Amino acid sequence: SQQGEEDPQALSIQEGENATMNCSYKTSINNLQWYRQNSGRGLVHLILIRSNEREKHSGRLRVTLDTSKKSSSLLITASRAADTASYFCAHVTTDSWGKLQFGAGTQVVVTP
Amino acid sequence: DGGITQSPKYLFRKEGQNVTLSCEQNLNHDAMYWYRQDPGQGLRLIYYSQIVNDFQKGDIAEGYSVSREKKESFPLTVTSAQKNPTAFYLCASSFPGQGTEKLFFGSGTQLSVL
Repeated sequence: SQQGEEDPQALSIQEGENATMNCSYKTSINNLQWYRQNSGRGLVHLILIRSNEREKHSGRLRVTLDTSKKSSSLLITASRAADTASYFCAHVTTDSWGKLQFGAGTQVVVTP
Repeated sequence: DGGITQSPKYLFRKEGQNVTLSCEQNLNHDAMYWYRQDPGQGLRLIYYSQIVNDFQKGDIAEGYSVSREKKESFPLTVTSAQKNPTAFYLCASSFPGQGTEKLFFGSGTQLSVL
């Protein structure tokens, strides 16, 4: 399977703390993306990092990519209760046309 | 208000019945996708279409069928051959690009078997 794996499966933190989740993949990629899903809803794109980039920021989000280790991490700083959701990484392999391979996701719960 | 509309939000299927899930987009995207999501799992690709009148099987196409007669529409039929259809189905669209295919998702259809 070309699907990625995410770690941890679940994460429970308090408001104001940082949340870090990791994603690993198996093949060469064009880019890696992170999505957020609120319960029972569709996914929302958060950030995309290309294979030649090492770090990217968007607001309270920081994504890193290590292609030598085939891994990425998503950091949410100063978390809020509204950040409670599942977070998925997805990657586009170099041998597939735009087909995203999704990981199983990390379920994040932020308590006030 | 641009976006992707999936309907219905909830759908129930009787044994032996075919059901069709609707997906419409007004984003002028060429590419459209159908994903299946089982509880606690990631998304698996069922079918995708890069252009009107053309579509390809994804990783789990057995028991499903699609059509792409219009750019805006990509309906998914869950046939009676799909023996375990209970899942959350997500439609998505994108501009095909050079490896930067950010997906826009609909709000999903929950299909259950009666």
